[in-house]
Amino acid sequence: DTAVSQTPKYLVTQMGNDKSIKCEQNLGHDTMYWYKQDSKKFLKIMFSYNNKELIINETVPNRFSPKSPDKAHLNLHINSLELGDSAVYFCASSQGGLQPQHFGDGTRLSIL
Amino acid sequence: GENVEQHPSTLSVQEGDSAVIKCTYSDSASNYFPWYKQELGKGPQLIIDIRSNVGEKKDQRIAVTLNKTAKHFSLHITETQPEDSAVYFCAAQRLGNQFYFGTGTSLTVIP
Repeated sequence: DTAVSQTPKYLVTQMGNDKSIKCEQNLGHDTMYWYKQDSKKFLKIMFSYNNKELIINETVPNRFSPKSPDKAHLNLHINSLELGDSAVYFCASSQGGLQPQHFGDGTRLSIL
Repeated sequence: GENVEQHPSTLSVQEGDSAVIKCTYSDSASNYFPWYKQELGKGPQLIIDIRSNVGEKKDQRIAVTLNKTAKHFSLHITETQPEDSAVYFCAAQRLGNQFYFGTGTSLTVIP
């Protein structure tokens, strides 16, 4: 059973389009995250939700909007895609506190 | 906020040799330090972690050491194998705060 699953794995789209990435975790965790990994492999946190409530919102353009319908799901919607949005996006979850985060396998977003 | 520095950025070792990756952090209140391994096309996977009340932790060929006074921690991999080739990330966290990741080390084990 996959613990943290993201769909789609690859997303190729045109500049200006709107797209969504879905994330689900079956670990029973309360906290979920979105990270962006650029071409230099740097992992940058974007958002964190705890029990469907936004607790971390780093400096991210407001074209990015996370949505958590329940504590097992955290989706990422991106409006008006730009070339600089090309990256791998990772979803993660944890029990919160000083506990490890469990990552999905990522969604590679390529903007043409 | 926290600042985590990781060195080296790339590391090549012969199969069977040891590999050491070092991280320093700036926030003395950080007290959780996980290490992640990221293989090509996969997400980061936890390989070992250490909390601030412990100076060293070992799991088979992998060990982590923590020096709270100097604010640095290190990952040690002994008897390296080709399947250890990956990108490794350290991270630091204080309670109630997010993970701060290092910039990654690309390890290549040469058969």
